[in-house]
Amino acid sequence: IAGITQAPTSQILAAGRRMTLRCTQDMRHNAMYWYRQDLGLGLRLIHYSNTAGTTGKGEVPDGYSVSRANTDDFPLTLASAVPSQTSVYFCASPRTRSYNEQFFGPGTRLTVL
Amino acid sequence: AQSVTQLGSHVSVSEGALVLLRCNYSSSVPPYLFWYVQYPNQGLQLLLKYTTGATLVKGINGFEAEFKKSETSFHLTKPSAHMSDAAEYFCAVSGAGGTSYGKLTFGQGTILTVHP
Repeated sequence: IAGITQAPTSQILAAGRRMTLRCTQDMRHNAMYWYRQDLGLGLRLIHYSNTAGTTGKGEVPDGYSVSRANTDDFPLTLASAVPSQTSVYFCASPRTRSYNEQFFGPGTRLTVL
Repeated sequence: AQSVTQLGSHVSVSEGALVLLRCNYSSSVPPYLFWYVQYPNQGLQLLLKYTTGATLVKGINGFEAEFKKSETSFHLTKPSAHMSDAAEYFCAVSGAGGTSYGKLTFGQGTILTVHP
């Protein structure tokens, strides 16, 4: 079934540690996005990529980095995790060729202690 | 620049009653508007979207929304609530062009509770 997979499902991480959240889509679409979800704030865009080899900053990029070496994968890295990065992270990609209708992965629940 | 405001972080209705979830937006370019639903411990699922054309948009599970440009609103309604509608609902906007194209800006979410 076409879609987006994210790993891990959940993670507890010590502050200061490095962590990479994985996202893979099999729809062969160009655009991919990372959001974080926090209570009362909705979802906020962290980074995005319109095509392989390009990335851009969203609303809350500080403390995060991304890479887009190929079409399918879009990993999100926390170089040195802090407690304020405790959140649920969603990867998204357009469901169709239309950029504006996004399909979300199941999410990664990250807790930084 | 674009933003979304959802009026009311919690809405409670009785089963069978009208559901009305309010959303107002601002956008410097013609907007695309969306409603997503999130059930507990799940990802987001698209309910409906407005891009161009008819301003009254019908979605899944009996929901609909009307785009009112003059009021910069995109309120979500359902004539008769069902227990299974209990979830968190998010309104979102993306630009139809320019640098905001394809990037969603979300409201803070509204938790819908349905009482028997």
